[in-house]
Amino acid sequence: DTAVSQTPKYLVTQMGNDKSIKCEQNLGHDTMYWYKQDSKKFLKIMFSYNNKELIINETVPNRFSPKSPDKAHLNLHINSLELGDSAVYFCASSGTSGRAGSDTQYFGPGTRLTVL
Amino acid sequence: GQNIDQPTEMTATEGAIVQINCTYQTSGFNGLFWYQQHAGEAPTFLSYNVLDGLEEKGRFSSFLSRSKGYSYLLLKELQMKDSASYLCAVFPRDNYGQNFVFGPGTRLSVLP
Repeated sequence: DTAVSQTPKYLVTQMGNDKSIKCEQNLGHDTMYWYKQDSKKFLKIMFSYNNKELIINETVPNRFSPKSPDKAHLNLHINSLELGDSAVYFCASSGTSGRAGSDTQYFGPGTRLTVL
Repeated sequence: GQNIDQPTEMTATEGAIVQINCTYQTSGFNGLFWYQQHAGEAPTFLSYNVLDGLEEKGRFSSFLSRSKGYSYLLLKELQMKDSASYLCAVFPRDNYGQNFVFGPGTRLSVLP
């Protein structure tokens, strides 16, 4: 069984459109994340959700909005897509909600978004 | 701010040993992780260090010196499948902030 899954794997769309990427984890983890990996391969955190509360928003434009219907899901909705949004978006989850400790993050397979 | 440095690219020969270095300057420290990422795939966890010293796991070992802000990943008996990017990540905060900071990654090419 896939631990962290994302859909779709590839997403090609026009500028100005609105799109969503879904993420689900079956690990029973408390915290989920969204990362953006650009063409230079830098992984940058966008959001994390802990027990349905947003606890990080790393200066991401408000066109991006995470939505967590329950602990196992964290979806990413993007409004008015721009060319610079083209990247690979990774969902991840980790086990504890408190101190860092050995809090390993497990990544989904990624969604390659291309904005034309 | 948070800053993590790694070499951009490295090349090694199958069967050899390679050491990938990582230096960091972060506001607080609560652990350092190494991830492997093959082209077009997700990062996968390799190792975690929070105390100084060496952690060994099969062909891979990771070392940490907190006083120097330095870590390395050691890969022994290199195989072709080890060709990938290796990402160093630091967990800088000691609170509820789940804020991983990733380095730029080191692209390792293993040659026959």
